[in-house]
Amino acid sequence: ETGVTQTPRHLVMGMTNKKSLKCEQHLGHNAMYWYKQSAKKPLELMFVYNFKEQTENNSVPSRFSPECPNSSHLFLHLHTLQPEDSALYLCASSPDPAGAALSEQYFGPGTRLTVT
Amino acid sequence: AQSVTQLDSQVPVFEEAPVELRCNYSSSVSVYLFWYVQYPNQGLQLLLKYLSGSTLVKGINGFEAEFNKSQTSFHLRKPSVHISDTAEYFCAVSGQAAGNKLTFGGGTRVLVKP
Repeated sequence: ETGVTQTPRHLVMGMTNKKSLKCEQHLGHNAMYWYKQSAKKPLELMFVYNFKEQTENNSVPSRFSPECPNSSHLFLHLHTLQPEDSALYLCASSPDPAGAALSEQYFGPGTRLTVT
Repeated sequence: AQSVTQLDSQVPVFEEAPVELRCNYSSSVSVYLFWYVQYPNQGLQLLLKYLSGSTLVKGINGFEAEFNKSQTSFHLRKPSVHISDTAEYFCAVSGQAAGNKLTFGGGTRVLVKP
């Protein structure tokens, strides 16, 4: 596969469930990102990982727990979510974390999450 | 800190007509500017970016944008749209400092009608 892949594409979970979203990039990039895309709201950056180290946590509630075991994989672990957490969760990667302002971010197709 | 305003949430346009999507930003520092497109059920794809140099930037699929520093704008244009241009378009800004993150506008949904 090429580019940035995300699994699952759709997820329905109850508020007491625990689930994980997976992102994999096949581009050899060094930075990975999680974004939340809610209806009628701008895209929100959640987390940034540079060379497997978390460099940004944009005041995200602790019920979202990211994990980056290597530069190619990024997970978002979910537990005790709220209905307002229902959204499209997008993963992205970019070649150079220090120059993230310059380098293009490549996005995956997203995971559509519904919390019931 | 930066912010981005996309003035139109939806823009209906007929096929082969021109389209302009408006984007204004605010920032206390110099910025880089981007336009992304999101087709249905897909992630975002970069259309074009302004980093420096010529203020008229050409991107993929016949799109172009013009950076106007005095008006803090980065409007996107296409002279003749196709049905396949139906998508949501996002303007984004990043401060010119290493590691600065992208701040996105709320998006403009373009619906191309036959």
